Amino acid sequence: AQTVTQSQPEMSVQEAETVTLSCTYDTSESDYYLFWYKQPPSRQMILVIRQEAYKQQNATENRFSVNFQKAAKSFSLKISDSQLGDAAMYFCAYRSGPYSGAGSYQLTFGKGTKLSVIP
Amino acid sequence: ETGVTQTPRHLVMGMTNKKSLKCEQHLGHNAMYWYKQSAKKPLELMFVYSLEERVENNSVPSRFSPECPNSSHLFLHLHTLQPEDSALYLCASSQEFETAYNEQFFGPGTRLTVL
Repeated sequence: AQTVTQSQPEMSVQEAETVTLSCTYDTSESDYYLFWYKQPPSRQMILVIRQEAYKQQNATENRFSVNFQKAAKSFSLKISDSQLGDAAMYFCAYRSGPYSGAGSYQLTFGKGTKLSVIP
Repeated sequence: ETGVTQTPRHLVMGMTNKKSLKCEQHLGHNAMYWYKQSAKKPLELMFVYSLEERVENNSVPSRFSPECPNSSHLFLHLHTLQPEDSALYLCASSQEFETAYNEQFFGPGTRLTVL
């Protein structure tokens, strides 16, 4: 079974600075997808960014980018120019791809990292 | 707003009560999910419905009973719960269950407290 580990339960960043949240995963599959979800204090979780394992290029979405290291099974999230609205729980998640033969397409989540933004 | 609504937002119930959680999605999606979110633990997938058929059931106790009458609505019926069932219950939907790339859209959750 796949596991997702977020080793930083809490982090803080100064407004306008850059922060990196770490995520590692364990899998024997070569076909999979990785996601970062954000859950603000209002609790409605939203997708921040996603990465296909077969793509070498790191995904970017405005101020959010990832550092995907497939061999190291690492998928970190970088937030540039941090804003107060970035304060939230961030969850890293893994999902088997259609060619993995996994037979299940569940999302497996890490425990989350609580990010605080200091004004 | 993600297009997924949940009611009630808060629920307090005794161990002998019967209650139901409701989820509705306005996105035209075919797959719906129930998750349990407890403090200090990863989100736990409980049930998945695809085109109104249950496709995943992750060893959830029978005191939790899902129902999906149509692709827009999902219920979680609760009876004789235990205090350890207190958690945030999240509903989500996606275009399809089988497409790995699909984003899941989450509701705001129901905060359940079992006394």
